Amino acid sequence: DGGITQSPKYLFRKEGQNVTLSCEQNLNHDAMYWYRQDPGQGLRLIYYSQIVNDFQKGDIAEGYSVSREKKESFPLTVTSAQKNPTAFYLCASSRGSGTGVGNQPQHFGDGTRLSIL
Amino acid sequence: SQQGEEDPQALSIQEGENATMNCSYKTSINNLQWYRQNSGRGLVHLILIRSNEREKHSGRLRVTLDTSKKSSSLLITASRAADTASYFCATDARFGNEKLTFGTGTRLTIIP
Repeated sequence: DGGITQSPKYLFRKEGQNVTLSCEQNLNHDAMYWYRQDPGQGLRLIYYSQIVNDFQKGDIAEGYSVSREKKESFPLTVTSAQKNPTAFYLCASSRGSGTGVGNQPQHFGDGTRLSIL
Repeated sequence: SQQGEEDPQALSIQEGENATMNCSYKTSINNLQWYRQNSGRGLVHLILIRSNEREKHSGRLRVTLDTSKKSSSLLITASRAADTASYFCATDARFGNEKLTFGTGTRLTIIP
């Protein structure tokens, strides 16, 4: 079955540590996204990528980094510079690139819940 | 910034009743999408409505869009316990940077 796989499901970060969240898709989608969701809140965009080897900052990119070396993979690193990393992180993908990604449904993984030790 | 705001924030109804959720947004859009999120899970796409459409149906779902009022509504008819979830609208701003902006969601509880 095609879909998006996020791992791990739960992750704990020690102070000063960088952690990396994995996101893999086999939908052959060009665009991929990372969102942060805080309790009772909507989704806020961290980074997005419309094509391999290219990505753009979203609304809350500070303290995060990404790479897009393969079409299928879009890992997110939460760096020690992110002082409040506790949240639910969601990865998504969609068809299309350039203009028009907003007219495509986004497919989501089941998230990674990150907490501070 | 949040483009969409859902109303109400929370809604509880009896099974079998209809549920209506509203979304208001601030700037002109190309499209508006509705998503469902079950607790602790990712979002699931429900329906997309374009700015030149006024109404769209999918099974028990009916979405309306009023661009003059910058608002949309999601109606779920004959609700079931399995409809218990949070529902989010997401907008694609006409002069935006090719990304969706999500609202804060409506938490729907269906009482058996």
